[in-house]
Amino acid sequence: AQKITQTQPGMFVQEKEAVTLDCTYDTSDPSYGLFWYKQPSSGEMIFLIYQGSYDQQNATEGRYSLNFQKARKSANLVISASQLGDSAMYFCAMREGGTGRRALTFGSGTRLQVQP
Amino acid sequence: KAGVTQTPRYLIKTRGQQVTLSCSPISGHRSVSWYQQTPGQGLQFLFEYFSETQRNKGNFPGRFSGRQFSNSRSEMNVSTLELGDSALYLCASSLDSVTSVGYTFGSGTRLTVV
Repeated sequence: AQKITQTQPGMFVQEKEAVTLDCTYDTSDPSYGLFWYKQPSSGEMIFLIYQGSYDQQNATEGRYSLNFQKARKSANLVISASQLGDSAMYFCAMREGGTGRRALTFGSGTRLQVQP
Repeated sequence: KAGVTQTPRYLIKTRGQQVTLSCSPISGHRSVSWYQQTPGQGLQFLFEYFSETQRNKGNFPGRFSGRQFSNSRSEMNVSTLELGDSALYLCASSLDSVTSVGYTFGSGTRLTVV
């Protein structure tokens, strides 16, 4: 069963507008972490934001915020005030459990294109 | 501080050959993980090394192997290359503490098998 689902293969957004990238996950482990990464055309995966399953508040990092809805098993990334440099692939990923299991499971990604 | 360094950046190999990719983690990071990224299968976990020991392994055939040295640098090897092994291979390093959440990825090695 797919553990991370990103249903938007591609998204367009106007510069300076906000955009939400969807991510749903599936796990029976009560302890897990959710990550968002940005991958520009150069290939490097750039860490954006992290949310732990026990975190009480939604994570925020600058223009990035994570809309964590635990009951719905969703962890949507919100990018505020989009910039042209935000154009890239965005991946949602999950790590289950504690320090024994450190493999990340990735979604299929969303290609975001920011238009001027 | 220096990031994760992967070498080489690009490789072209022929079917049946073998290849070795290298990853130097961030200084102080003891965990190194490897991922394969292809258009068809997406990002898939290969294996993770910690203190020179393979700690986790993904669902890949035995042709894929790796190792980690005492300085935490890691290499992965693919023997008897197949066309389907063409991919971007990404390495990620982390501190590996209970509270550590950061995985820093390198820029990857793009392998083309012809």
